[in-house]
Amino acid sequence: GQSLEQPSEVTAVEGAIVQINCTYQTSGFYGLSWYQQHDGGAPTFLSYNALDGLEETGRFSSFLSRSDSYGYLLLQELQMKDSASYFCAENTGGFKTIFGAGTRLFVKA
Amino acid sequence: GAGVSQSPSNKVTEKGKDVELRCDPISGHTALYWYRQRLGQGLEFLIYFQGNSAPDKSGLPSDRFSAERTGESVSTLTIQRTQQEDSAVYLCASSPSSWGMSSGRSDTQYFGPGTRLTVL
Repeated sequence: GQSLEQPSEVTAVEGAIVQINCTYQTSGFYGLSWYQQHDGGAPTFLSYNALDGLEETGRFSSFLSRSDSYGYLLLQELQMKDSASYFCAENTGGFKTIFGAGTRLFVKA
Repeated sequence: GAGVSQSPSNKVTEKGKDVELRCDPISGHTALYWYRQRLGQGLEFLIYFQGNSAPDKSGLPSDRFSAERTGESVSTLTIQRTQQEDSAVYLCASSPSSWGMSSGRSDTQYFGPGTRLTVL
């Protein structure tokens, strides 16, 4: 089947580091994307991994392990504005993108 | 335009009526996607267009849902005989090109603000 699992909620304090995990189960896997969505807003692209390893983009990094069917998004130096929902999304060869249910991140002062 | 636009931003309709939702992708983007997002949930893939053809319609929930696209431009999502469970935000996204089977490259999807549909 095609499904992604990620935690429903994560809470962290301002300035801290938080990791949001995502596991996927599918055949025909091409890569894992991460999107951020603020309440009432549209999802915006954060990062993408097609190969094993870490991709770094400023305060955000994303990691993929294809052998473990696992990835994570790492947010460093958390800011209040990082409070949002974060979705992992699996890209398949059939052009379809399957999104996880999302992880709601609460950043506290 | 600067980004993906969708209209209307909000639509309230009565059960049983038909609705048409519009998406204007970023100029030059060949790929266009429709998603549905229920309150507090993730994005549910509906349909994908490459140009004006739809290689994958598997996400459309029922035959009440249909979509079309004119060239590499505007797309409309039509829901006939709306039901209360159709209430959701309908998001459109576009990307410069589709997935390359050989390269496995990902093209960022740029999302519109969505249409919030409420079926009474």
